[in-house]
Amino acid sequence: GQNIDQPTEMTATEGAIVQINCTYQTSGFNGLFWYQQHAGEAPTFLSYNVLDGLEEKGRFSSFLSRSKGYSYLLLKELQMKDSASYLCAVLDSNYQLIWGAGTKLIIKP
Amino acid sequence: DVKVTQSSRYLVKRTGEKVFLECVQDMDHENMFWYRQDPGLGLRLIYFSYDVKMKEKGDIPEGYSVSREKKERFSLILESASTNQTSMYLCASSPWTSGSTDTQYFGPGTRLTVL
Repeated sequence: GQNIDQPTEMTATEGAIVQINCTYQTSGFNGLFWYQQHAGEAPTFLSYNVLDGLEEKGRFSSFLSRSKGYSYLLLKELQMKDSASYLCAVLDSNYQLIWGAGTKLIIKP
Repeated sequence: DVKVTQSSRYLVKRTGEKVFLECVQDMDHENMFWYRQDPGLGLRLIYFSYDVKMKEKGDIPEGYSVSREKKERFSLILESASTNQTSMYLCASSPWTSGSTDTQYFGPGTRLTVL
């Protein structure tokens, strides 16, 4: 079966760094997405990785290791507005998106 | 900017009612999707469409149907609403990119409660 695993909830302090992990087992791989979803709102696109390595975009970075079936989202200089759920999703061999359940990130002052 | 709109943010219906959820996108995207999102579960795909009048079942199509008569509009229909269909319903669209980024753009969601 296809499976995406990510922690249910994480807590971090404003100004700190947090890493949200995602492991996947899917039938084929055509890329991995990270989305951000604030409570009661729609998911919004953060990043897309299809090659191994780190992609940096401002305070957010996303890393992929295809051989390990592993990705992480790194958030630096955390701000209160970063409190949200972060969704990991993998595009499988049929170009279908397989979604993780999401990680709820709580930022404390 | 891509804009995906959904007809209602909140909806309350009674068991057995027929429910229509409408979704419209303004970016001429070929692909459109309907998901439901429940606490502790990932987004689950109900139906999707790659073209007008074309539909494909997702992971949980039972109890739902869809309609795509125009490219910009994708409707989700609950033929006879049941309490286990109480959920957040999200519509999304994406361009036909031959399997490159396939970034999906989401509407604001409809929180449906079935009493």
